[in-house]
Amino acid sequence: ETGVTQTPRHLVMGMTNKKSLKCEQHLGHNAMYWYKQSAKKPLELMFVYNFKEQTENNSVPSRFSPECPNSSHLFLHLHTLQPEDSALYLCASSLTGWRGYTFGSGTRLTVV
Amino acid sequence: AQKITQTQPGMFVQEKEAVTLDCTYDTSDPSYGLFWYKQPSSGEMIFLIYQGSYDQQNATEGRYSLNFQKARKSANLVISASQLGDSAMYFCAMREGPLESGTASKLTFGTGTRLQVTL
Repeated sequence: ETGVTQTPRHLVMGMTNKKSLKCEQHLGHNAMYWYKQSAKKPLELMFVYNFKEQTENNSVPSRFSPECPNSSHLFLHLHTLQPEDSALYLCASSLTGWRGYTFGSGTRLTVV
Repeated sequence: AQKITQTQPGMFVQEKEAVTLDCTYDTSDPSYGLFWYKQPSSGEMIFLIYQGSYDQQNATEGRYSLNFQKARKSANLVISASQLGDSAMYFCAMREGPLESGTASKLTFGTGTRLQVTL
């Protein structure tokens, strides 16, 4: 257990489905992040939240919709995804002004 | 241009031997930080070691050390006395810009090196 919990661990969804990924941390961190990890590609930063406010959207398609209701919880709402969106989605958190992240174990998403 | 380059897609090392994983980076910012993470098959990214651009000494954490050569823009990870449990993907990452209170950090990652430790 890393301190950052992601659910579900695995998700298979059709292209017309709507689903959500959840990330939770109780480390007292105030910044949260979504990363996408595709095979043979570097991790791609998707979104950054700082004290619940979105500070970065890295040109992510609108079929991915993040939500950060408080500093401890982060969601990624998914709708009408494409097969190329299949990947490992990693959530991380950090203290602002601090040097490193704590990552969750990820959600392995398969779009069929 | 790639900001983080890891040229070794895969490496093998025998148990108890030392291994060096290569990482070069590209930034024009004088203030930056370099990280190494380990990702076992379970998927979670585990922080290993950190080097700040202004740190005078090379970072060490137990069996991990970072060979920081600023002029060459390299930040190689050295794992001493390899163990079977070290088999995993290893990622080098960089934060550009100074650490600022109240500001979230954004890390840029390399493509990783898969390390396999053999008996």
